[in-house]
Amino acid sequence: EAAVTQSPRNKVAVTGGKVTLSCNQTNNHNNMYWYRQDTGHGLRLIHYSYGAGSTEKGDIPDGYKASRPSQENFSLILELATPSQTSVYFCASGDAPGGDQNTLYFGAGTRLSVL
Amino acid sequence: GQQVQQSPASLVLQEGENAELQCNFSTSLNSMQWFYQRPGGSLVSLFYNPSGTKHSGRLTSTTVIKERRSSLHISSSQTTDSGTYLCALEPASSGSWQLIFGSGTQLTVMP
Repeated sequence: EAAVTQSPRNKVAVTGGKVTLSCNQTNNHNNMYWYRQDTGHGLRLIHYSYGAGSTEKGDIPDGYKASRPSQENFSLILELATPSQTSVYFCASGDAPGGDQNTLYFGAGTRLSVL
Repeated sequence: GQQVQQSPASLVLQEGENAELQCNFSTSLNSMQWFYQRPGGSLVSLFYNPSGTKHSGRLTSTTVIKERRSSLHISSSQTTDSGTYLCALEPASSGSWQLIFGSGTQLTVMP
C-alpha cells in the first residue's frame, strides 16, 4: 500500500513567520504534488515535482516555494506567512500516467492557521 | 472559468437511497478520476475512468467523453458513505501529469 506522510498535522503560525510543511513518500514515485483545499475551491495545485532536484509551479504558486531534495521528500515553504494562507494542505505522490493503476496517493493533510 | 464543475454541492439521503453525483468538464481530457474524502481526512481513489462504465461494489462510474461529463452512482447508500466526493481530470493539454479537481459533493447519509 502506497504511503505518504505529512508533518506536522496541525500548525499555528504568526503573520510574517516562516513555515515549512514536510512530506515523505515510500512509494518510489517520481511525481509529488502540493495542493491546498479551501471551501468552495476544491483542491488547487501549488507546486509539483518530477523528481529529486526539480520543482515546478502549479496553478497558485505565489507566496510559496518548494524543495525536492530527494526522491522521498518534498517540502512546501512559506517564507512570509499571511492569513490568506490559512488552509488545509495535502501532499500527494504518483507516477507517470498510463493504465488502471494511474492515480495519486495522498497524505493525511496539514491544517495550517496563520494568525 | 472553472474547468470542472460538480453537482450537487451537497446531498442528504436516508440510508438505503441511491445517489447520483455529476461532474461536467469544459476541456478535453486524458483521464477522469473519482476520489472519496472522509470528513477531515485524506483522499482515496475510487475510480480511474477515462471513458465508459466501471463498477466497484455499490459504486458505478460512467464517463461520456463526447458529452463532457462523468457521473458517480451510489446504490443502497450507507451511513459510512458520508463524506466528500471529488472528481478530477487530467487535461489533454497538460505537459505533465496534473489533476484538476472539482469543488466536490458533500454527501450525508442519515440512519
